[in-house]
Amino acid sequence: GQNIDQPTEMTATEGAIVQINCTYQTSGFNGLFWYQQHAGEAPTFLSYNVLDGLEEKGRFSSFLSRSKGYSYLLLKELQMKDSASYLCAAKDSNYQLIWGAGTKLIIKP
Amino acid sequence: GAVVSQHPSWVICKSGTSVKIECRSLDFQATTMFWYRQFPKQSLMLMATSNEGSKATYEQGVEKDKFLINHASLTLSTLTVTSAHPEDSSFYICSAQPGQGIDEQYFGPGTRLTVT
Repeated sequence: GQNIDQPTEMTATEGAIVQINCTYQTSGFNGLFWYQQHAGEAPTFLSYNVLDGLEEKGRFSSFLSRSKGYSYLLLKELQMKDSASYLCAAKDSNYQLIWGAGTKLIIKP
Repeated sequence: GAVVSQHPSWVICKSGTSVKIECRSLDFQATTMFWYRQFPKQSLMLMATSNEGSKATYEQGVEKDKFLINHASLTLSTLTVTSAHPEDSSFYICSAQPGQGIDEQYFGPGTRLTVT
């Protein structure tokens, strides 16, 4: 079956760095997406990886290892507004997005 | 660019009535649109995938006669919840994809449905 695993909840301190891991098992692979979702709102796109390596975009970076079926989202210089759920999703061979359950990130002052 | 709107943003209806939710891509043509449902503190659940001009593909366990999807144009898809019941109360989110394949999905702001 197809599966995405990510931690349910993480806590970090304002100003610190946090890494949210995601492992995936899909039938074929056509890219890995990270979305941010604040409570009561729709998800917003953060990053897309299809090749191995690190993609940096401001305070957020995303890493992919296709051989390991593994990705992480790295958030630096955490701000209170970063408190949200972070969704990992992988596209399978049919280009269908397989969603993880999301990681709720709690930022403490 | 890549803005998706949904209407209404919230709706309260009585049990047994039907509710229509619209999803529009405002500045691009969406070959494919997706409808999701999300219950409190749970992840997104894909309900169906619709391509313009063809019948929607429903996920297992989603009743196609209850959740009617119409993708009449490249910028508009509608979801009608027929004979709504309190258990249909949820956050309904649409997303649109400009092309096919690896394009990212752009999400609408969501519609919160409460059935009393």
